[in-house]
Amino acid sequence: AQSVTQLDSQVPVFEEAPVELRCNYSSSVSVYLFWYVQYPNQGLQLLLKYLSGSTLVESINGFEAEFNKSQTSFHLRKPSVHISDTAEYFCAVSENNQGGKLIFGQGTELSVKP
Amino acid sequence: GAVVSQHPSWVICKSGTSVKIECRSLDFQATTMFWYRQFPKQSLMLMATSNEGSKATYEQGVEKDKFLINHASLTLSTLTVTSAHPEDSSFYICSATAYLAGVKNEQFFGPGTRLTVL
Repeated sequence: AQSVTQLDSQVPVFEEAPVELRCNYSSSVSVYLFWYVQYPNQGLQLLLKYLSGSTLVESINGFEAEFNKSQTSFHLRKPSVHISDTAEYFCAVSENNQGGKLIFGQGTELSVKP
Repeated sequence: GAVVSQHPSWVICKSGTSVKIECRSLDFQATTMFWYRQFPKQSLMLMATSNEGSKATYEQGVEKDKFLINHASLTLSTLTVTSAHPEDSSFYICSATAYLAGVKNEQFFGPGTRLTVL
């Protein structure tokens, strides 16, 4: 059975500092990987995804994540965060034979301080 | 494109009443919709998978008679919380999958519905 582990429940950082949010998964088959962001009292917004091809994927607002098959990881990084990046971030995995069913990690609360 | 709406965005009801939440795909046809619930400061837990024209598939531990799901068309799925109790208070989020221009296995999420049962 697949599972997703986000090792850090809370990550406080100062503005303009780099950040890494960690995500590890377990699965016996090929997977699709996603990062979603959730602002308070809102639904989820897709940040970036890995389906196939290049293992490094980027979002339009400066985030990137790298799929590492040998380490079963999909860590999210940003070289310089803004106050507006403060939100909850969820890593999710979908096995490509499960009809799109997503399994979410526990979430990481990113708090950017001035 | 690929917008999903939910209605209502929030609802307060008395214990014992039933509440219906709608999930609509506005600009695409969704053959599959998913329903999640999220408790404060926690992750999303999948409740059920809903395919148009067939019965929903519920996750283990989710009472299908408590949470009735109907997916009558390719753009609408409804979740009815029957005889709601305070412990059903939660944030309910739906999502829909679309097969557009080669996109597959990606879910588009609604904005969520905050249910408070008094």
